[in-house]
Parts: sequence; structure tokens; C-alpha cells
Amino acid sequence: GAGVSQSPRYKVAKRGQDVALRCDPISGHVSLFWYQQALGQGPEFLTYFQNEAQLDKSGLPSDRFFAERPEGSVSTLKIQRTQQEDSAVYLCASSPGQGVSYEQYFGPGTRLTVT
Amino acid sequence: AQSVTQLDSHVSVSEGTPVLLRCNYSSSYSPSLFWYVQHPNKGLQLLLKYTSAATLVKGINGFEAEFKKSETSFHLTKPSAHMSDAAEYFCVVKGSNFGNEKLTFGTGTRLTIIP
Repeated sequence: GAGVSQSPRYKVAKRGQDVALRCDPISGHVSLFWYQQALGQGPEFLTYFQNEAQLDKSGLPSDRFFAERPEGSVSTLKIQRTQQEDSAVYLCASSPGQGVSYEQYFGPGTRLTVT
Repeated sequence: AQSVTQLDSHVSVSEGTPVLLRCNYSSSYSPSLFWYVQHPNKGLQLLLKYTSAATLVKGINGFEAEFKKSETSFHLTKPSAHMSDAAEYFCVVKGSNFGNEKLTFGTGTRLTIIP
């Protein structure tokens, strides 16, 4: 079946521009996660949804970052007034449920470059 | 609080020889531990997971890991390396307290296989 998909795969933005990154989770998965992976680093947690409810946004680095999942399926991560330090790969993952029994399935990521 | 430390940023082994990737963890709760692999331009893939059942965990592609509470370690091993094992490997911890769904990644170990 189809896995997690993300679009665009690559995005170049000039400093100060707003960007929107899309995630399509596996159909039926209730949990959705966003992670940020800087070059040469491991992914870092940004935020987590269960259905349409954003239950944890403790990892969002600033109020320029905003995520939504209005109908409990597709999610969008928006970054306002992009800065060079926002350059990273943004990973989306989905999971069929809560708890340790459920694996997180990752998408291929969106590579954001801010110039 | 939870964290993992991957003790080697790079590991090189010859094809056909054993692989050892080292990971130590810290967690306030009984942790769930995972190893993920990331091939270039591909999404993260789960290799194996420990969730408080058997301490020796077998995963895909011949990998296994042993949970050692006394040493707070979760090292990844494989008896015989293949060229296709060349990739970035991440040790990951997830707290078992209710509602804590986020994954905390280590900084990664790049595995190189020498022909």
C-alpha cells in the first residue's frame, strides 16, 4: 500500500518568505508527527497530532512555526518569515495508534533550503 | 526526560565481518528503544524495537540488539556485514509514560562497508 508522502520534496525559499509543507499520512493512521532533521544530525521532534487535535507542540522552535491537521488526515507545517537556520529536512511520520506497540512510519521528507 | 547517546559517529567494517553500533540511553521511565536505518534519499525504516519483553531483540536483515538495563545500553549487532548495510543508523528512545509519544533520536552512526 501507499506509504507516507510529503510534498514538495525540495523547496528553496528566500529569507523572509513563508513556506507550507504538506504531509499525507497512511490512510487510517490517527497519529501524525513532524520532525526536523538538520544536516548531520538526528531528527528532532516538532509536534504531534492525534486525529485533528494537536496534543504536543513542545518541539516547535519559535512562533514562526505552525502546524495543522484540520480534518484529521492531511497535515501542513507552515513556517513564516523563514530564516537560514530553518534549512533542514522536515520529516512527517504517521502511526495507527498510541503507545509503544505502534510503529511510526516515516515519509521521505521535504528538504528546505533558505537562501 | 529521555535521551540516547550514540558512541560512534562513523564505523567502517569489511564486508563479511561483524557489525557493532553502540548506543546508551537515559530515561526517567522504563524506556522503549528502537533502531532506525536511513539510506540516502530514502525514508527512515524501523530495524527493530524493544518494549520490555525479551531483552534480545531480532530485527530485519539479520540485525539484533540486546537491552542491558545495568549498563543502560542497547547496542546493535550483525554477524556479517553486506554492502547493502551501508547507511546511517539511529538509536531512538521513547518514554513509556502515557501521552509521551515523541521519539528522541541519537545523532546517528554512519556505517561504511569496505569491499
